Amino acid sequence: GAGVSQSPSNKVTEKGKDVELRCDPISGHTALYWYRQSLGQGLEFLIYFQGNSAPDKSGLPSDRFSAERTGGSVSTLTIQRTQQEDSAVYLCASSPRTMNSGANVLTFGAGSRLTVL
Amino acid sequence: KQEVTQIPAALSVPEGENLVLNCSFTDSAIYNLQWFRQDPGKGLTSLLLIQSSQREQTSGRLNASLDKSSGRSTLYIAASQPGDSATYLCAVGNTDKLIFGTGTRLQVFP
Repeated sequence: GAGVSQSPSNKVTEKGKDVELRCDPISGHTALYWYRQSLGQGLEFLIYFQGNSAPDKSGLPSDRFSAERTGGSVSTLTIQRTQQEDSAVYLCASSPRTMNSGANVLTFGAGSRLTVL
Repeated sequence: KQEVTQIPAALSVPEGENLVLNCSFTDSAIYNLQWFRQDPGKGLTSLLLIQSSQREQTSGRLNASLDKSSGRSTLYIAASQPGDSATYLCAVGNTDKLIFGTGTRLQVFP
């Protein structure tokens, strides 16, 4: 597509429920990133994909968080047994090349705002 | 561990002023540095990217500089306009990801 698409744009859920957030990157972009932005905070790195593999999962805050990417395209971030502290905007970005190329510009989606009651 | 700091946290200026936003980082082993703007309720828009071998980049009224050895970057905005009001984020490309600062919230009033 023309840009990075994320869905849903807004999600309100009850504590303890599972949620899935979807990211559809720009066609042909091999790298895909998930970040989280809590209210008044900076962007916190969660996970990075190169193709379908995730070389860096270091930012996932707990084992309730998981992500997958299939066909080198769409990615899904799943949060199990949601807690109130999971409330945040979850941002996805994609890029055509790896970071060490130096000229790696990330394009971000508009984000998925998650509210856990 | 790479840490990115942005000063000031917030800035309010009258229209027409030239202004400077500051970004500092602790690990100089970076691939690039990027400046983004974020409007309320929206995603991030890339403004400028400076590769580690470069000293500055310019786009319109924006100029970003990079001093890798001292761990600093500045974003210069000339002749500010109310439409420039947004949060400006600095991010350094380190290993395989971008590490973000907490941003500078800019308000330009008429």
